This record gives sequence, C-alpha cells and structure tokens, in this order.
Amino acid sequence: SQQGEEDPQALSIQEGENATMNCSYKTSINNLQWYRQNSGRGLVHLILIRSNEREKHSGRLRVTLDTSKKSSSLLITASRAADTASYFCATMRQNTGNQFYFGTGTSLTVIP
Amino acid sequence: GAGVSQSPSNKVTEKGKDVELRCDPISGHTALYWYRQSLGQGLEFLIYFQGNSAPDKSGLPSDRFSAERTGGSVSTLTIQRTQQEDSAVYLCASSLTGTRILDTQYFGPGTRLTVL
Repeated sequence: SQQGEEDPQALSIQEGENATMNCSYKTSINNLQWYRQNSGRGLVHLILIRSNEREKHSGRLRVTLDTSKKSSSLLITASRAADTASYFCATMRQNTGNQFYFGTGTSLTVIP
Repeated sequence: GAGVSQSPSNKVTEKGKDVELRCDPISGHTALYWYRQSLGQGLEFLIYFQGNSAPDKSGLPSDRFSAERTGGSVSTLTIQRTQQEDSAVYLCASSLTGTRILDTQYFGPGTRLTVL
C-alpha cells in the first residue's frame, strides 16, 4: 500500500509564481524525499530531509517537515515552464527494512 | 558515469506470454529496487535486493512475478502468463548502500509494458 499522499493532485500556475505541494504520510519515518518525474518515465531525486530536520533548501526548492503532523511540503519558487512535471514524496518507514513508499504525486503545470 | 539503464524501453506482448525486463544498475551500487507504476498513479514497490542478502519480495503482487539479480549487478524481472492488468511502466532504481537514513535512489527510464 502507498504510504504518502500528495496534495493537490494537480496544480497549474503561471511562470514566475511559487508552487506549493504537500505530502502526508501515516507512520514514523527515517527520512522523507521528494522526486520529480517527467513524462511518466524515470524519477529524479530532488531533496532529502531527515526526520530530525524541519526545513531544508536547495536552490529554488524549500522543503519542510512536520513529524507531529506527519506532513511535508515542497515549495518551488519563481517557477519556470521547465518545472512542469509530476512530483512525488517518498518515505522510508522506521523498522520496515529498506522499502521506500511513494505517494500518489502532484502533477504541476507551469504556464509560460 | 552511466546511470541506471533498462531494456527494453517498450514491450508489447499478448496476454498469456512471459516477459523479461532487464535493469543495469549504477556500477558499485549494492541496492536495487523494482517498482511498478500504472497510468497516472504513484509507484508500487515490488522487490528489493541488497548485496548478497535474500531479496525482499514482499511487494510482488502474485507468484507470476519473480526477479533475480546475478552477481550483485544486473537484475531481471520476469512476469509469467501476463495479464492485461500487468500493463504499466516498470521502473528500476539503485542506491549506493541501501542504508536507511541517507540513501538516494537513482532511477532508470523504465520499461513500458503493454499486454494486449
């Protein structure tokens, strides 16, 4: 079963605007990662945040993690048309081996 | 260096036939994962290999699915007696250590399987 759910399922914004995607999960985790997928093919790792971290930045990406609410958000600032893709959160649960659990994804469209 | 590669990129088969999907992980990566992604859906974990340890097969949906990893490198996912519901993109990923905290997965481009 899938561990995470992203919200919204789809998001459409104008180029230059910020995009915020949320991820909720169900059980305690070791870390949470965000991935990007273009055109239904391979995923590309964006950023990892550990369970003891609350916020992390990488370029135009900002990730927050609230373990008390079991949720994370991904903010993409100053969006570009090239950011159009699907974004997935993935969690590694504690004490369940090395399985990664992926959410259902948010489809982001950035309109030029 | 080369990333994760998968072959074939597309496979069309008839219901009831067997198919083999291949994954070449990044050299030196000890962990290898197979996932399945149906149209518009998230990734479904199938199986995980870590070094010489017994694989974690807990995600395989039925006994028609099996996977091998020879010599700790190349992996083959086999689907026997394919069904139409097996149609999906099959993604392979590898990671350096398979440890819990810091591992990042590197994905291949996937194999799109269509069962007619």
